[in-house]
Amino acid sequence: DVKVTQSSRYLVKRTGEKVFLECVQDMDHENMFWYRQDPGLGLRLIYFSYDVKMKEKGDIPEGYSVSREKKERFSLILESASTNQTSMYLCASSLYRWIAGDPYEQYFGPGTRLTVT
Amino acid sequence: AQTVTQSQPEMSVQEAETVTLSCTYDTSESDYYLFWYKQPPSRQMILVIRQEAYKQQNATENRFSVNFQKAAKSFSLKISDSQLGDAAMYFCAYTTIMGGGATNKLIFGTGTLLAVQP
Repeated sequence: DVKVTQSSRYLVKRTGEKVFLECVQDMDHENMFWYRQDPGLGLRLIYFSYDVKMKEKGDIPEGYSVSREKKERFSLILESASTNQTSMYLCASSLYRWIAGDPYEQYFGPGTRLTVT
Repeated sequence: AQTVTQSQPEMSVQEAETVTLSCTYDTSESDYYLFWYKQPPSRQMILVIRQEAYKQQNATENRFSVNFQKAAKSFSLKISDSQLGDAAMYFCAYTTIMGGGATNKLIFGTGTLLAVQP
């Protein structure tokens, strides 16, 4: 089974702190994603990566950065946390190439609920 | 730009009954995938069912089936014989298909929270 893990289920940080959210997958997936989930807004893509050291902005990258030094690990960084970044953060991974039986499915981690006070 | 719309923020169904969750999308692409994901309370999001746009036959997975209307850009999920374990947030999602390799960004709807009444 594909396993995507996130470093924390719950996190409380203060405004202005630098926050690191870690995501690890064990299926050798090329693609990794960070989403933000808010009520009434669904999931919105923050950043994604299709290879080590490669990254692309998603729909809402402002206030965030990412790091992918190893294929299995994708980190989301809040440079200076703000209260409007209080949210649920979901990490996901997927294969880059279409493989029969597994077309484009993304596998999700359990999420990190971040509260910034 | 592609968009996905779920117009039912909340739905409720009696155990053993059937419920249909609605999803519409907008795209100018001819080839794409559509998905329904399930997010149970405090648990990981999992894929329920997927549909390839070029296939006319509606996908089914046990008690879950879809009604895919390509011309109408509609993709509804039907849950038959609803069970208490079906209670969850359900998200409709879309991705385009690119030949060779794909960084398959998903576009999600806003979700439908399904309650199952015993």
